[in-house]
Amino acid sequence: DIVMTQSPDSLAVSLGERATINCKSSQSVLYNSNNKNYLAWYQQKPGQPPKLLIYWASTRESGVPDRFSGSGSGTDFTLTISSLQAEDVAVYYCQQYHTTPRTFGPGTKVDI
Amino acid sequence: QVQLVQSGAEVKKPGASVKVSCKASGYTFTGYYMHWVRQAPGQGLEWMGWINPNNGDTRYAQKFQGRVTMTRDTSIRTAYMELSSLRSDDTAVYYCARDPPHHGADVWGQGTTVTVSS
Repeated sequence: DIVMTQSPDSLAVSLGERATINCKSSQSVLYNSNNKNYLAWYQQKPGQPPKLLIYWASTRESGVPDRFSGSGSGTDFTLTISSLQAEDVAVYYCQQYHTTPRTFGPGTKVDI
Repeated sequence: QVQLVQSGAEVKKPGASVKVSCKASGYTFTGYYMHWVRQAPGQGLEWMGWINPNNGDTRYAQKFQGRVTMTRDTSIRTAYMELSSLRSDDTAVYYCARDPPHHGADVWGQGTTVTVSS
């Protein structure tokens, strides 16, 4: 199984400041046939299901604000919130969908 | 609009089984895999498996092999997840999620709370 790790476990950021979350996979999630990284980022607020933010490591899902961006390739990935808003307080998870089982990272809690 | 609506909360005794339903609307049910993910209280997300609604093919996480069964009824656009031999550590919110090819899960059900307690 591909093991996903995230850092930090939690972080507190001032409103309008940048938040950066890291995700690492134990094996590459790059699909050679299409040169796409099969890595997604989700946001989960209390009492709600997860919401897809980013897929293919860097493609924003429709309707997701452009302050959210993803980067990285292979085994190392980053989610950046360029200017934190109050509504961004949540737990953020990365997930690889390169291989079954589809494993999630442990999550990073973002607070103000 | 595209929507997944899950069945209501369940309370079960240890050793029992639970069957959670997930009714799809607003899209072609057989065109997208359906995944099941659970979340224990205060914990992270745990992938359980998927079903291909088009042909019923399934793939389960090793942890749940032998205890989980995912099925579907295309006539009513509904997917099911049944978990047997329940233990207290199966207490969790169970989610279904639509999975477009090569995309990540883009639509999620509201979640079904399953409580296992004697």
